[in-house]
Amino acid sequence: QQPVQSPQAVILREGEDAVINCSSSKALYSVHWYRQKHGEAPVFLMILLKGGEQKGHDKISASFNEKKQQSSLYLTASQLSYSGTYFCGTVNNAGNMLTFGGGTRLMVKP
Amino acid sequence: EAGVTQFPSHSVIEKGQTVTLRCDPISGHDNLYWYRRVMGKEIKFLLHFVKESKQDESGMPNNRFLAERTGGTYSTLKVQPAELEDSGVYFCASRRDSYNEQFFGPGTRLTVL
Repeated sequence: QQPVQSPQAVILREGEDAVINCSSSKALYSVHWYRQKHGEAPVFLMILLKGGEQKGHDKISASFNEKKQQSSLYLTASQLSYSGTYFCGTVNNAGNMLTFGGGTRLMVKP
Repeated sequence: EAGVTQFPSHSVIEKGQTVTLRCDPISGHDNLYWYRRVMGKEIKFLLHFVKESKQDESGMPNNRFLAERTGGTYSTLKVQPAELEDSGVYFCASRRDSYNEQFFGPGTRLTVL
């Protein structure tokens, strides 16, 4: 079942923050976050496996709620390089395929 | 190490023709996945190989699509005959066994006229 991703699009000024949400109607095995720039491969950002988990690097972090049905991606002090489309991909069982949300188009302006 | 590579990057064919897409996974990754993104829609799973075996092909749209992975290395996805609705970007991803991360290739943009 496809996760619901929101918002669909965000426009930010450099230095502003954004939150992208990904939710499922059922508990998940894992959530994967990717960023894709036009014409390029989706780039893996991070994976969350445990309920209540939070992880991140630089100014991009993510959380996975206790019930493992919702994940949020946090972009703080955004940079121009953050622009792109962000996808959450969910896995129901270990080793299974990713089911992607509809994507969030993020544009960071100077 | 080299990432996932896909060939060609773009392909434009006419309805009824045949096209073959190729994916070279990261060396040592036994798991290989094909996904497709039709314009304006989400990325959707097509099938999953473990080495040369098809683990899950539940996402394949119909029997015009044939995927192979002879020898468990690179994979091909053939569309024969192509239809207009097959247009989109076809992604390949690979994963090392016992790890969770899937690494994506740049995709092949297929346009069927």
